[in-house]
Amino acid sequence: EVQLVESGGGLVQPGGSLRLSCAASGFTLSSYEMNWVRQAPGKGLEWVSYISRSGGTKYYADSVKGRFTISRDNAKNSLYLQMNSLRAEDTAVYYCARDGGRGGYDSLDYWGQGTLVTVSS
Amino acid sequence: DIQMTQSPSSLSASVGDRVTITCRASQGINNFLAWYQQKPGKVPKLLIYTASTLHSGVPSRFSGSGSGTDFTLTISSLQPEDVATYYCQKYNSAPFTFGPGTKVDIK
Repeated sequence: EVQLVESGGGLVQPGGSLRLSCAASGFTLSSYEMNWVRQAPGKGLEWVSYISRSGGTKYYADSVKGRFTISRDNAKNSLYLQMNSLRAEDTAVYYCARDGGRGGYDSLDYWGQGTLVTVSS
Repeated sequence: DIQMTQSPSSLSASVGDRVTITCRASQGINNFLAWYQQKPGKVPKLLIYTASTLHSGVPSRFSGSGSGTDFTLTISSLQPEDVATYYCQKYNSAPFTFGPGTKVDIK
């Protein structure tokens, strides 16, 4: 069974940093591109970042470019999101989501339960 | 960047009704379009990919169509368990933008 379990969320002050993790199981992480998607309280879904299977290609939403860094450790079956210079508007539930793996870019076929990040003083 | 819009933003329909949601891309995206369902308090779930392919386990009352810039999600006979917000997403190229969502409830 495919499982994605996020961790690392919490309360952080504006300007602070946080590192989210996503533990993958039930599939071979190295065979799939991965993404982070967030959802602010009461708002819609916002795609945040993408990483290719090897980690050699990364994309970011303009809203987080230069502040967030996506990475992965296939040997540890883990995906990460390093978030720096956090702002109040980064407050959201952060989901890791698996690319469908059908070649090229794909839809997101499995999602974790999410981890809440709250940026507030 | 390509912008995604959805209409309507919300709708209320009766059980058994046919429901149609529209998603529009500001530029052509071929058929690289997915639909997701998010029930209240739950994690989003993939419904449809490549604009019209039903994801495994999704009921056949859901269907998708379209290509280029205009896409449609149809629920042929609305059920109480379909109360949710529905999002489209483009994935032809980054950024993989979501639409703003359409909230569906029962009249």
